[in-house]
Amino acid sequence: GAGVSQSPRYKVAKRGQDVALRCDPISGHVSLFWYQQALGQGPEFLTYFQNEAQLDKSGLPSDRFFAERPEGSVSTLKIQRTQQEDSAVYLCASVRDRPKYGYTFGSGTRLTVV
Amino acid sequence: DAKTTQPPSMDCAEGRAANLPCNHSTISGNEYVYWYRQIHSQGPQYIIHGLKNNETNEMASLIITEDRKSSTLILPHATLRDTAVYYCIVRPIQGAQKLVFGQGTRLTINP
Repeated sequence: GAGVSQSPRYKVAKRGQDVALRCDPISGHVSLFWYQQALGQGPEFLTYFQNEAQLDKSGLPSDRFFAERPEGSVSTLKIQRTQQEDSAVYLCASVRDRPKYGYTFGSGTRLTVV
Repeated sequence: DAKTTQPPSMDCAEGRAANLPCNHSTISGNEYVYWYRQIHSQGPQYIIHGLKNNETNEMASLIITEDRKSSTLILPHATLRDTAVYYCIVRPIQGAQKLVFGQGTRLTINP
């Protein structure tokens, strides 16, 4: 497709449940980023992949958060034992490696933990 | 931490030019200035970026001061669809580095 696709668009999880959020980047985009956006705040960096390699995971808030991109294209962000504070919009972005190009973001997955 | 400072909110009349300021006094010579905007319920959208020179594209113009410590994003003829949060971000030239978002400026275009 022409853009970054994220699914599901909305997810309601019961506290303690595991969730998996999917990101389909633009074809050919080597780099992929995950961000978390709390209500009323700017997006905050979670993790970064270059192809299948996870080069930076400094933003993951706890070991309950895990991301993978096994074949260097689709990525999955998994949150185990969800807590209420995990409620946020999770954004995925992809970019060609040449820095002059802007990042393309998906519309995000809105996670609500009840 | 974000390296930029922006006013939290601004208003502009429809059809007028919207001028959004950004301070980035600690910017280094190998960092770009990027602007993104986020319309409600959507992901951030790339607008424009620049290094030293002023830039213009179909969406906006970017004016960077000579000392590079501040910049202004100009939407020449604002429409209601330009209502969004606008983020000014500095980013290193080399590599696909992460973007560090601040709070941005909430721009409201009024009819």
